[in-house]
Amino acid sequence: AQKVTQAQTEISVVEKEDVTLDCVYETRDTTYYLFWYKQPPSGELVFLIRRNSFDEQNEISGRYSWNFQKSTSSFNFTITASQVVDSAVYFCALSEGDRGSTLGRLYFGRGTQLTVWP
Amino acid sequence: DSGVTQTPKHLITATGQRVTLRCSPRSGDLSVYWYQQSLDQGLQFLIQYYNGEERAKGNILERFSAQQFPDLHSELNLSSLELGDSALYFCASSATGDYYNSPLHFGNGTRLTVT
Repeated sequence: AQKVTQAQTEISVVEKEDVTLDCVYETRDTTYYLFWYKQPPSGELVFLIRRNSFDEQNEISGRYSWNFQKSTSSFNFTITASQVVDSAVYFCALSEGDRGSTLGRLYFGRGTQLTVWP
Repeated sequence: DSGVTQTPKHLITATGQRVTLRCSPRSGDLSVYWYQQSLDQGLQFLIQYYNGEERAKGNILERFSAQQFPDLHSELNLSSLELGDSALYFCASSATGDYYNSPLHFGNGTRLTVT
């Protein structure tokens, strides 16, 4: 079974629209980390955020915000006032920790391709 | 710039051949991770090394092997290559690899094309 599900394969919006990328995860561990990475057309993976399982506070960084809800096992990512430069594939990832797993062993979702049109 | 360096950026080779991908971690990082990104499987963890020792293994084929050298750079060796091995191979590094460490930072990847 997929540990991380990103149900939205592709999303298209027009510049200045807000967009939310969904991420649902599955784990039996009580200690875990959730991540979002961005992969622009150039191909590199850019770290955006890490959130641990004990911190359910939402986070805002500029036009980016993240909503972590343990009750629904979701870690959604919202871009406010989207820009063309936001066009990329966005990956949600999970790292489990109860069994002393390594932080670096990330389970990635299949990604959401976001296209922002001018 | 993540500080993780991968070479080469692109590699084109034929089926049955062997290639070596190289990764230099960020300065001070002891742990190196290898990931494969393919259309079929998405992004998958292959293997982790910490200070020269293998630490964790994921979905790595027996035809693939890796090592980390005393200077902490790592190499991923892919042999008896098949068309399905065509993918983007990422390396990432972290300071210790322990759970409460800083997040992974990825290199720009090596794109392998097997013809």
